[in-house]
Amino acid sequence: GAGVSQSPSNKVTEKGKDVELRCDPISGHTALYWYRQSLGQGLEFLIYFQGNSAPDKSGLPSDRFSAERTGGSVSTLTIQRTQQEDSAVYLCASSLVSSEGGYEQYFGPGTRLTVT
Amino acid sequence: SQQGEEDPQALSIQEGENATMNCSYKTSINNLQWYRQNSGRGLVHLILIRSNEREKHSGRLRVTLDTSKKSSSLLITASRAADTASYFCATDWSFGNEKLTFGTGTRLTIIP
Repeated sequence: GAGVSQSPSNKVTEKGKDVELRCDPISGHTALYWYRQSLGQGLEFLIYFQGNSAPDKSGLPSDRFSAERTGGSVSTLTIQRTQQEDSAVYLCASSLVSSEGGYEQYFGPGTRLTVT
Repeated sequence: SQQGEEDPQALSIQEGENATMNCSYKTSINNLQWYRQNSGRGLVHLILIRSNEREKHSGRLRVTLDTSKKSSSLLITASRAADTASYFCATDWSFGNEKLTFGTGTRLTIIP
């Protein structure tokens, strides 16, 4: 079956421009996550959506970052007025959720963002 | 900030040897997972161990968890060239919110 897809795979933008990154999760997965990975580093949590609950935005690094999830499926991460330090690979993941917790997350291939 | 750290940061071994990677974390957890990443892109889930488990096996993988020491280890037996990748441990610590906190990763290179 289809996995998590992300678009675009690569994005080069000028400093100060806005960018939108898209994530299509696995059908039926109620949880969706965005992470960021800078060169040679581990993953940094950004935002978490679960069903109709209010998203956990605790990882967003500044108010230039926002995300939405429409219809409980597709998600868009928007970065306004991009800065060079925003350059990273942005990874989306989705998973099932239960009261016991602990489901594996399925990751998309990521979007490599380069801010020049 | 990172929840945990992997040790070593980089490891090179001969094909056929066993590889051991360690992960330490800071807070109490519900679950710990190990992921593999090839070529700096998408991650692949390897194994999940719950906080009430001490050891788990999956094929050539063996994971241990010591909650008293807040540490975990991943053992890959009979390594293959295809095992060359970065390996990350990740923890979730809040029921109802399963965001993962990742360690810094171990870069494993298998020498043919």
